[in-house]
Amino acid sequence: DQQVKQNSPSLSVQEGRISILNCDYTNSMFDYFLWYKKYPAEGPTFLISISSIKDKNEDGRFTVFLNKSAKHLSLHIVPSQPGDSAVYFCAAVSTARQLTFGSGTQLTVLP
Amino acid sequence: DTEVTQTPKHLVMGMTNKKSLKCEQHMGHRAMYWYKQKAKKPPELMFVYSYEKLSINESVPSRFSPECPNSSLLNLHLHALQPEDSALYLCASSPMYREENTIYFGEGSWLTVV
Repeated sequence: DQQVKQNSPSLSVQEGRISILNCDYTNSMFDYFLWYKKYPAEGPTFLISISSIKDKNEDGRFTVFLNKSAKHLSLHIVPSQPGDSAVYFCAAVSTARQLTFGSGTQLTVLP
Repeated sequence: DTEVTQTPKHLVMGMTNKKSLKCEQHMGHRAMYWYKQKAKKPPELMFVYSYEKLSINESVPSRFSPECPNSSLLNLHLHALQPEDSALYLCASSPMYREENTIYFGEGSWLTVV
């Protein structure tokens, strides 16, 4: 049973437009969420995180929104750039300090 | 089965102990990885095995010793660790190294060195 779900395996967006990547979770014990980006042949790189006490965190072009009642978070990238093309992983940390990753979403930004 | 299983989930060890972390996957993946992640930091790559051979060693101290006994198993042997080695150790696998577009992570083993 997947506790962190990224239901869209892929997403294509035009350069300059907004990319929205979604993540749903089922475990109410998760209290910290992270997004990672991964290029082929490289390890995942940390992108942005959010604590469960917040509903929004922004870092440059990247914003993460958390809706605790819906157990849903999303990553917005504005404006999208071709270099943003990568696999994006949502991850969650539980109060037991276990880390659970989603299966990833392949983002392709078209020039 | 799309799981990467890591054991133990939590480990406390003294600086003179010898212990091992274990990782297992049955997805037929030929690339397996060890990452180290400190609290609220991104995971750092330690080792990559491709076809049971060590492909990448990211200048990891010799007190960490990886082993890949077969295509499904990956171990990390620990000896004479330091308190600063306390972290979450993540195992991951992917179909192939350098050609993967998705990577499956285990839930991690929380290591505390006392």
